[in-house]
Formats: sequence, C-alpha cells, structure tokens
Amino acid sequence: NAGVTQTPKFQVLKTGQSMTLQCAQDMNHEYMSWYRQDPGMGLRLIHYSVGAGITDQGEVPNGYNVSRSTTEDFPLRLLSAAPSQTSVYFCASRGGGNAGQPQHFGDGTRLSIL
Amino acid sequence: AQSVTQLDSHVSVSEGTPVLLRCNYSSSYSPSLFWYVQHPNKGLQLLLKYTSAATLVKGINGFEAEFKKSETSFHLTKPSAHMSDAAEYFCVVPMNRDDKIIFGKGTRLHILP
Repeated sequence: NAGVTQTPKFQVLKTGQSMTLQCAQDMNHEYMSWYRQDPGMGLRLIHYSVGAGITDQGEVPNGYNVSRSTTEDFPLRLLSAAPSQTSVYFCASRGGGNAGQPQHFGDGTRLSIL
Repeated sequence: AQSVTQLDSHVSVSEGTPVLLRCNYSSSYSPSLFWYVQHPNKGLQLLLKYTSAATLVKGINGFEAEFKKSETSFHLTKPSAHMSDAAEYFCVVPMNRDDKIIFGKGTRLHILP
C-alpha cells in the first residue's frame, strides 16, 4: 500500500542547476499538490492540480513548474535552482469532491541549494 | 482575509498531563477543518477532521478537537500526554473548493518526563 511516493528523499544542488522532484500516487486521486516547508512558516502551497492536464498556481509558485500528464504523477521542476529554494518539499493527494477530503502526504524531499 | 492562527509555536507539558493546542481561523469557506501531526523527518498524518456532523471530533491516539463557531476556534486536546506525542501539529483550513488550503505555522509539542 504505497500511497504517495516522493523521490529523491535528499538532494544537493548547485545554484543554477535544474532538477525534477518526482511524486506518484496509487490511489487514483484527482487532486495533487506540492508544498514547501520552511522553519516557522508551516506549509506553503506551490502548485496544485485538480486532474490530469489541469494545473494552477498556489501561494509561492515562482521558480517552479509543474505538469500533470497522468493521474498518477505530478512532477515539480526547478529550472534554475536558487539558495532560497532550499527547503523540504511535500507532495500530497486527495480524492475528488471538495476540500473536505483529507490529504495524503509523501515523506518529503529535503533539498539543499549551495 | 482568510487565515489560520496557531496561538503557540511551542508547548511543553509533562507526561501524563493534559495537552491543549490552540487554533483560530477565519475562512468564508469552512465546511471542514483539520489537524495534522508531523513526527520528525516524516510527512504529515491526518489526526482528525471536522465536517459539521458533530462539534466534538475524536481523532487518533486519544486526541480530540472541539469546533466553536462563535469563537472561530478549533482547539486540539488530549487528556494525558504520552512521550510519543512529541511532534509538530498543524491546524489546516480550506480556502475554497479546490486545494487552496491554509496551514497554520505549526505548534511543536514537547513532552517532559
């Protein structure tokens, strides 16, 4: 029973490098989201998707791109990493309906930008 | 403006004593409220959910929360703290029908032996 799987768990990048954080869920959930967690800030929404082919911006979208070609996968791309993007990134999914459905979280990706 | 405020960034209690973690919210769309728990180096786990069926909601591990509309509060309580309760707790409120939800900044719970 995998749930939400994030890879990699840890990553160190140099400023200006690009990378993709992977997120996959096996629960056939329509809704998927990416958050970043910084000390004392709680979780802030980066991008979200309400279904395959549909994405929208959250609270802090700058510097990040997403796409949703399948229901299962929702990768997050950093095109040119900056030290301000050092954070812990969480992917989440939930079933359809409304925001009253609880979210299922992955274990996170810890990203450091040097 | 929609917001969620966790009134304490840190709470310390002795093992076996009651726990109170406070949350106040402001949202024009609030059919649901949530508490999540995050243990060190882990993702977030749903602790409990309010969906208007009952104002007192019971969750996992002996936690419960009471929705008070007049006070716009959704405080989390537990009668007797256990060492395993040491974690960070987040109050979460949906802003709209989709996934624009607001997380509180979190309350870190410390359990003293």
